[in-house]
Amino acid sequence: QLVLTQSPSASASLGASVKLTCTLSSGHSSYAIAWHQQQPEKGPRYLMKLNSDGSHSKGDGIPDRFSGSSSGAERYLTISSLQSEDEADYYCQTWGTAWVFGGGTKLTVL
Amino acid sequence: EVQLVESGGGLVKPGGSLRLSCAASGFTFSSYSMNWVRQAPGKGLEWVSSISSSSSYIYYADSVKGRFTISRDNAKNSLYLQMNSLRAEDTAVYYCATRRVDTFYWGQGTLVTVSS
Repeated sequence: QLVLTQSPSASASLGASVKLTCTLSSGHSSYAIAWHQQQPEKGPRYLMKLNSDGSHSKGDGIPDRFSGSSSGAERYLTISSLQSEDEADYYCQTWGTAWVFGGGTKLTVL
Repeated sequence: EVQLVESGGGLVKPGGSLRLSCAASGFTFSSYSMNWVRQAPGKGLEWVSSISSSSSYIYYADSVKGRFTISRDNAKNSLYLQMNSLRAEDTAVYYCATRRVDTFYWGQGTLVTVSS
């Protein structure tokens, strides 16, 4: 069974960088994922699709501060030069006959 | 510009029914599968159901199987979710969403509250 695991919370200072992790369950390390951002009281916003080789394609208007990378079953979202509006929940997701979401990481910008 | 606009949410009693709609524009609706995703208050995202472009393939989460029915009308560029036998745990914001090539699109959501 495909499961995506995310840490519940992360924090980093304004202007710093942070790396969020999404781990694919055993046997699924070749899967691509998508990252979505959900700011407080808003709907999800697509950030990027991230392949197992680390290549990624971002959604329209997503700043260069957002980047993705991969290592084995781990998928990463790195946000550099953190801004206050980056404080949000971040979800990873895969898709097939069903969509599977990670539990989300709540990012706090200090 | 792709737009997905949900409607039909509201307050309903346990055991009641509700029909959600999603109006799509800005893309060839009939070419893409569509999904419903929900988010209970303070919780994460949960996939609910998907339907293929021609309605040939339909899938449900176990939590809603037998109670919810997804459908679409390609002539009207619309997606629907018929929700029956509603329970308190179905209380959530319901989003329609789709994947088009390598991009995902989300609606703004509609709130369904199941309470007596």
